[in-house]
Amino acid sequence: SQQGEEDPQALSIQEGENATMNCSYKTSINNLQWYRQNSGRGLVHLILIRSNEREKHSGRLRVTLDTSKKSSSLLITASRAADTASYFCATVKGGSYIPTFGRGTSLIVHP
Amino acid sequence: DTEVTQTPKHLVMGMTNKKSLKCEQHMGHRAMYWYKQKAKKPPELMFVYSYEKLSINESVPSRFSPECPNSSLLNLHLHALQPEDSALYLCASSQVVLRDPLHTQYFGPGTRLTVL
Repeated sequence: SQQGEEDPQALSIQEGENATMNCSYKTSINNLQWYRQNSGRGLVHLILIRSNEREKHSGRLRVTLDTSKKSSSLLITASRAADTASYFCATVKGGSYIPTFGRGTSLIVHP
Repeated sequence: DTEVTQTPKHLVMGMTNKKSLKCEQHMGHRAMYWYKQKAKKPPELMFVYSYEKLSINESVPSRFSPECPNSSLLNLHLHALQPEDSALYLCASSQVVLRDPLHTQYFGPGTRLTVL
């Protein structure tokens, strides 16, 4: 069953703007991961944040995790047209190694 | 080599056909996965192999039959599929360290399957 729920489902912005996507989940987790998927292709892992971490950065990506609210956000700064893709959060419960994917956010960055 | 390869890229088959999807990785990963993904939906887990043994079967119909011949290969045998089985089939692999689940999945590009 799906654990994460991304918000918004779709996001359309201009190049250079920041894009923020949110993910909420229901049960306790060991870690939360964000993946990107270009249309009709496989998923690419972006970043993993552990349950005891609050924020993590990777290049233009910034991920936050609030375990008290059971939510995470992915911020892409200075977006580019090449960032156009679907973004999924995936949670890994304690005692497991298998991520459960949320519904995803479809991001369109207009040049 | 951090690549997961899948063949074929596209497959069109009739409901009476038998076909196979193939997946290969050479990263030494001992967990391999099959996912099914419909358009604009998240991947749905179908099967998980851990150390070449089937560890999870998410109540997938028997017309889908997985096989893991060795630690680098994963097959999905298809027989008597229905049109609603048309989807993108994704293979993934990851390390398996049960008390340290901080291992991400590496996905292949997928096989686009159309069942007529």
